[in-house]
Amino acid sequence: EAGVVQSPRYKIIEKKQPVAFWCNPISGHNTLYWYLQNLGQGPELLIRYENEEAVDDSQLPKDRFSAERLKGVDSTLKIQPAELGDSAVYLCASSFDSDSYEQYFGPGTRLTVT
Amino acid sequence: AQKITQTQPGMFVQEKEAVTLDCTYDTSDPSYGLFWYKQPSSGEMIFLIYQGSYDQQNATEGRYSLNFQKARKSANLVISASQLGDSAMYFCAMRGLGGTSYGKLTFGQGTILTVHP
Repeated sequence: EAGVVQSPRYKIIEKKQPVAFWCNPISGHNTLYWYLQNLGQGPELLIRYENEEAVDDSQLPKDRFSAERLKGVDSTLKIQPAELGDSAVYLCASSFDSDSYEQYFGPGTRLTVT
Repeated sequence: AQKITQTQPGMFVQEKEAVTLDCTYDTSDPSYGLFWYKQPSSGEMIFLIYQGSYDQQNATEGRYSLNFQKARKSANLVISASQLGDSAMYFCAMRGLGGTSYGKLTFGQGTILTVHP
């Protein structure tokens, strides 16, 4: 069974440029999560989807961050424009549903903003 | 609100010895789950063990066991017979099983474990 797939694995951009990250969850998983992990810190939830509905986006900085999961499968997280402080690892995770206690994580996208 | 505290930035252990990684938590949720994840240098988060707040027995998974002390709000991870491959960052996490923290994992700051040969 394939795990959570994320791309790209690494991205370097200049500040004020846009950037997008893609995530494909494990097949059959209805719940998808995006987490932000700063260097030396634990991940922090940005947004949680149940199928195509964003059910928890309270931690998403909506002035520059957006996310979508149009068909309830794969998802895209976008930052526009990027700032130096956005340099971090962006992790995607999925679970069968929100009742499932185990979340499966992807390898993450390491973003560097110069 | 939920909070996880890991007070050990780094721990060292000799190969084949046991090690305990500390975790304390705070929550107002009446029921919750506690987790430990391993993050090697490659970056992926690997689920290790889960403990429900109403579980009577401490969880065990192979060489991993969770020492759950509800009254002290602690959920320490014990790794027995350490191996070189155990060297990684370890995160304690929790989620509420209802209310506003439902479905949301809250992580601690992590502990870097180094296993010496």
